[in-house]
This record gives sequence, structure tokens and C-alpha cells, in this order.
Amino acid sequence: DADVTQTPRNRITKTGKRIMLECSQTKGHDRMYWYRQDPGLGLQLIYYSFDVKDINKGEISDGYSVSRQAQAKFSLSLESAIPNQTALYFCATSDSSGGAGDTQYFGPGTRLTVL
Amino acid sequence: GNSVTQMEGPVTLSEEAFLTINCTYTATGYPSLFWYVQYPGEGLQLLLKATKADDKGSNKGFEATYRKETTSFHLEKGSVQVSDSAVYFCALSGSSNTGKLIFGQGTTLQVKP
Repeated sequence: DADVTQTPRNRITKTGKRIMLECSQTKGHDRMYWYRQDPGLGLQLIYYSFDVKDINKGEISDGYSVSRQAQAKFSLSLESAIPNQTALYFCATSDSSGGAGDTQYFGPGTRLTVL
Repeated sequence: GNSVTQMEGPVTLSEEAFLTINCTYTATGYPSLFWYVQYPGEGLQLLLKATKADDKGSNKGFEATYRKETTSFHLEKGSVQVSDSAVYFCALSGSSNTGKLIFGQGTTLQVKP
């Protein structure tokens, strides 16, 4: 089984709808991250969490919210989806033992299309 | 602020050709540097990393050396295979212990038989 899973893998929704993307991990890591990937722009950090009670905004948090329900689960919500949120969304995890050299482990991604 | 710049793709090579993908960075302090690879339809996975100047990361025949004097971390492979076709991302993590990654825009590599 995959260590980092994301659901759904693909989603098409309409402008104004609320949508939640879910991420679960079995690696036992404290740190979890949400990124979005746009063609030609690499990945940009939306939110990150160091533990259940520690959630931080990333570079592009406007229009998004998150919930860390447990150490293993980190959800990303779009309260009112808009077309420019169409992108590929990745969840990632890392432990906190190595500092800046920590490796991040990525899920398979969720492709979101907002019509 | 911190940033990463990669050479633009796509890069198209014949099998067994030599590969270089350039990556330069801007950062304060002493960042860690990474190469991640994304195969079609998959998430990113770590290819190699280096955490201090002059370190060389290596994996699966790929290498990159952390050059602080030129602020570079170029990816090289002596002989590419069709299975190396993927998108390659250079990234850095700043010297503060947040673990946040700053990514380059990615370089698509296509290897033809």
C-alpha cells in the first residue's frame, strides 16, 4: 500500500462549490504539506502543518483552508471554487529529524478542474 | 527571498546520450538542495539531495554537486535511458528548520530509443 494517499484522484466541480481534498499517510511523520502544481510554474506551497495544533500558511493560501484531523490526516478545502484553482494538488509528508535536509514524500496527486 | 531557476525544457535526447539539466538558486544562509523526479501520472519522488557545500548527491546514475561559489546544483547523467523520461524539479530548503521546499519550474526530459 502507498505511504501517502490522496482522495479523490480526479475531480471536476463547478464555480462556487465547496470541495475537500483529503490526504492520509502511514509513514508516522509529523509534518504535512499541501502544494499545487501549475504547468510551467513548478510547485507552490499552500499550507503546512508541523503537528495537529500547528498549521501555517504557505505562499498561496488565499482561497484555501486546511484541517489536521489527526497526525495521519491533512485535508485541504476550497470554500468557493473558482476556475483559476484548476490545478494538480499534491500532499507531502516529512519527519522533523533532519532539519532543512528532510526528504518530503509525495502522494500521487489530485487533478482538480473547476468549470 | 529564496528562489530556484532551472533550464527550460523540453529536453529531447537519444538513448545513451549525456544529460545536463542546469539549476541555480538564490538563498540566504546554507540551504539544502534537492532533485525530485515526477514520472508520468505519479507524484514527485526524491532523486538525490545535498545538504552542504561541495557535497555530491547521487542515485540511479544521476549526480549533482552543491556548488556554493556558483550557487548551482546541476543534474547530470552519463547515459540516459528511455525510462528516464520524466519531469525533473530542482528545489531548495532554507537554513531555518521549517522544511519548506522552494521548487524550480521543472524540466521535461524525453528520451527517444
